[in-house]
Amino acid sequence: LAKTTQPISMDSYEGQEVNITCSHNNIATNDYITWYQQFPSQGPRFIIQGYKTKVTNEVASLFIPADRKSSTLSLPRVSLSDTAVYYCLVRSYNTDKLIFGTGTRLQVFP
Amino acid sequence: EAGVAQSPRYKIIEKRQSVAFWCNPISGHATLYWYQQILGQGPKLLIQFQNNGVVDDSQLPKDRFSAERLKGVDSTLKIQPAKLEDSAVYLCASSLIAGGESSYNEQFFGPGTRLTVL
Repeated sequence: LAKTTQPISMDSYEGQEVNITCSHNNIATNDYITWYQQFPSQGPRFIIQGYKTKVTNEVASLFIPADRKSSTLSLPRVSLSDTAVYYCLVRSYNTDKLIFGTGTRLQVFP
Repeated sequence: EAGVAQSPRYKIIEKRQSVAFWCNPISGHATLYWYQQILGQGPKLLIQFQNNGVVDDSQLPKDRFSAERLKGVDSTLKIQPAKLEDSAVYLCASSLIAGGESSYNEQFFGPGTRLTVL
């Protein structure tokens, strides 16, 4: 499975849009890009998943360029409750295996 | 719908003791995962079950860790004997199916069991 690289931490203020970029240079043709969110003392929670172009749900948007070597998670108008660790992962099409990195610690300030 | 249940939530033991964790996945979920999350790191997959069969246990330290999923529902993870470096949160997750492009493969995580080995 392709390893991912993302910033260790990011700071933002309430109401701003936050974009977290992740690189996955060795992603396989059939693998998917998945993002999870984790709050302290909780298990990770699925946010969004995509294969190419753009995916949007009620929580976030995921932008994936044509070469699929990177992706960007976009969180519109963050609030204090969005303070968490965000993991970018490549999911194996065949086995669903996920390899978590250290994630991006997002801190939202008032 | 009920989420993934885990027990106990916290456990403190001394090194060389044994410990067991229990997981009850979401009803109907065929795939079950155990992860180890050390403080400051992302979760690391220990073992993946598909029904009651093992799909991947390549990162399970088999000299001390064991896991089973009898009848393809509940699962237990055991450490015997524990070492100091086993101090971590042990997360259980489940998904409806494994593989493919369907959204059914989303993994749902339980709250975890925090293990402290003294």
